Amino acid sequence: QVQLVQSGAEVKKPGASVKVSCKASGYTFTSYDINWVRQATGQGLEWMGWMNPNSGNTGYAQKFQGRVTMTRDTSITTAYMELSSLRSEDTAVYYCARNPGETGRFDPWGQGTLVTVSS
Amino acid sequence: QAVLTQPSSLSASPGASASLTCTLRSDINVGTYWIYWFQQKPGSPPQFLLTYKSESDKQRGSGVPSRFSGSKGASANAGILLISGLQSEDEADYYCMIWHSSTWVFGGGTKLTVL
Repeated sequence: QVQLVQSGAEVKKPGASVKVSCKASGYTFTSYDINWVRQATGQGLEWMGWMNPNSGNTGYAQKFQGRVTMTRDTSITTAYMELSSLRSEDTAVYYCARNPGETGRFDPWGQGTLVTVSS
Repeated sequence: QAVLTQPSSLSASPGASASLTCTLRSDINVGTYWIYWFQQKPGSPPQFLLTYKSESDKQRGSGVPSRFSGSKGASANAGILLISGLQSEDEADYYCMIWHSSTWVFGGGTKLTVL
């Protein structure tokens, strides 16, 4: 079945970087975009950006421009989201989600990765 | 003003219908947008429910019951998620989303309580 499995929880200090992985299976990895969405505890969903695994093209929300990098390794059907210069406000659950490019059919979603930023 | 505004909470009784609204900022015309809806239960990732642009352009997610449907309220400039025959399992947070200015934008979410 189509599945996205994310890496485990991370604890980082302010100013550090974090790299979250999203392993895709059950479909042709290069045929769908991967989006990243985060959710702080008790808060709503916040879109961070998208990546086309075929071309490597990306698009980032303005809020994260310069701090986020989305990459992939097609040989292991895995997408990555790296966020740098972490601050406490970046503490959140980070999700990857597949979509058939140019639509918002985010389906499925990964299980989420909790990133905690604390000194 | 936020791009998408959703009421923070809504309560309805089992068996009744619930209408969840997603109001677009006044300078954005709901008629031109696909509205996407997601359901999120505590401790789980969101799940895609459906998308709606018009009666001829709409789609439910795989396995989503037909009692979930979409529409638009043109006068209110809003997308609407209608859930009929409410069940206790429908208690969840619901988010709308649109593609606007080269960005996916989520509404703040509505917590639906079924009691």
